[in-house]
Amino acid sequence: DTGVSQDPRHKITKRGQNVTFRCDPISEHNRLYWYRQTLGQGPEFLTYFQNEAQLEKSRLLSDRFSAERPKGSFSTLEIQRTEQGDSAMYLCASSLVAGRNTIYFGEGSWLTVV
Amino acid sequence: GENVEQHPSTLSVQEGDSAVIKCTYSDSASNYFPWYKQELGKGPQLIIDIRSNVGEKKDQRIAVTLNKTAKHFSLHITETQPEDSAVYFCAPGAGSYQLTFGKGTKLSVIP
Repeated sequence: DTGVSQDPRHKITKRGQNVTFRCDPISEHNRLYWYRQTLGQGPEFLTYFQNEAQLEKSRLLSDRFSAERPKGSFSTLEIQRTEQGDSAMYLCASSLVAGRNTIYFGEGSWLTVV
Repeated sequence: GENVEQHPSTLSVQEGDSAVIKCTYSDSASNYFPWYKQELGKGPQLIIDIRSNVGEKKDQRIAVTLNKTAKHFSLHITETQPEDSAVYFCAPGAGSYQLTFGKGTKLSVIP
């Protein structure tokens, strides 16, 4: 039973560079979510997909952020022109639409912008 | 939007004692009430959840109680063990597609 997989687990980048994170959800889960978590805070919702359609975006998702799920399987989250305020853990999660709808999280991708 | 508050923010208990964490929320449309446990450097792990048509749910040493009228739900851990030490988050949601997390409660179980 494979869980939600995220890559890379850690990324250090210089301010102004672009970074991309990948998420592989639990097999057959058609919903995929991205959350962001800063130190000492709870995760905050960024966006979610149902299959390949992006159905909701938080106001936290500035125009420097873009998420895709091209074939309804894995997803990528790209941050352009990174800023120090982007330093956080980016969490991916997945769930089924029907049934229990339990949301399962991955281990997260830590981003440090220097 | 949903306003979620968790209390207490930190909690220390002796091993074997019980721990209770309370979560209050504002959105009356919320109908899904999970609790997540997060260990250092890891993602949140679901430990128990409840839906609005149920008042209480128990799973071994862990239980969740819900008071929809008062808009709060609580996590109860009995017979605490050192491995229960972690940060616990409540995360109420409507339709379970978008969860709003509290700020977390750091639980320390002292051997």
